[in-house]
Amino acid sequence: EAGVAQSPRYKIIEKRQSVAFWCNPISGHATLYWYQQILGQGPKLLIQFQNNGVVDDSQLPKDRFSAERLKGVDSTLKIQPAKLEDSAVYLCASSLDRDYTDTQYFGPGTRLTVL
Amino acid sequence: AQKITQTQPGMFVQEKEAVTLDCTYDTSDPSYGLFWYKQPSSGEMIFLIYQGSYDQQNATEGRYSLNFQKARKSANLVISASQLGDSAMYFCAMREGSGYNKLIFGAGTRLAVHP
Repeated sequence: EAGVAQSPRYKIIEKRQSVAFWCNPISGHATLYWYQQILGQGPKLLIQFQNNGVVDDSQLPKDRFSAERLKGVDSTLKIQPAKLEDSAVYLCASSLDRDYTDTQYFGPGTRLTVL
Repeated sequence: AQKITQTQPGMFVQEKEAVTLDCTYDTSDPSYGLFWYKQPSSGEMIFLIYQGSYDQQNATEGRYSLNFQKARKSANLVISASQLGDSAMYFCAMREGSGYNKLIFGAGTRLAVHP
């Protein structure tokens, strides 16, 4: 079974530029998550999708971050414009459903550096 | 509010010995799940083991076991027969049964296995 796929693996941009990340979840997983992991910290949830609907985006900085999951499969996370403090690893995860017993499986992450 | 605490920033262990990584949690929800993830230097979060709040027995997965003490609200990870490849960051996480079912992570413990 293929795991969660993410691209790109690394991205370096200047502040005020825009960037987009792509995620393809495990086949059949209805729930998709985007996390931000700042160096030295645990991941923090940015947004959670159930199929193609948003369940929780309470910690997404909506003035600069946006995310979509068209057709309930792939998802993209965009930052526009980027700030220095956005430098982090962006992790995508998926699970079968939203039940608290469902394990979330993570992709390899995208390491973003904002200069 | 749910909270995860990992008090050990770093741990050292000799190869082939056992090591315990501490995790305490706080929640008022009777239904919750506890997860441990491993994050090598490559960045991917690898799922290790799960314990549900209603599980009567401690979870085990190969060399990993979870010492679940519900009354003390602790969920320590025990790695037996440590291997050099176990050197990584380890994160404890919890997901409540109600609300948005958000997965909350601790700050992590860095484990170094010495030959």
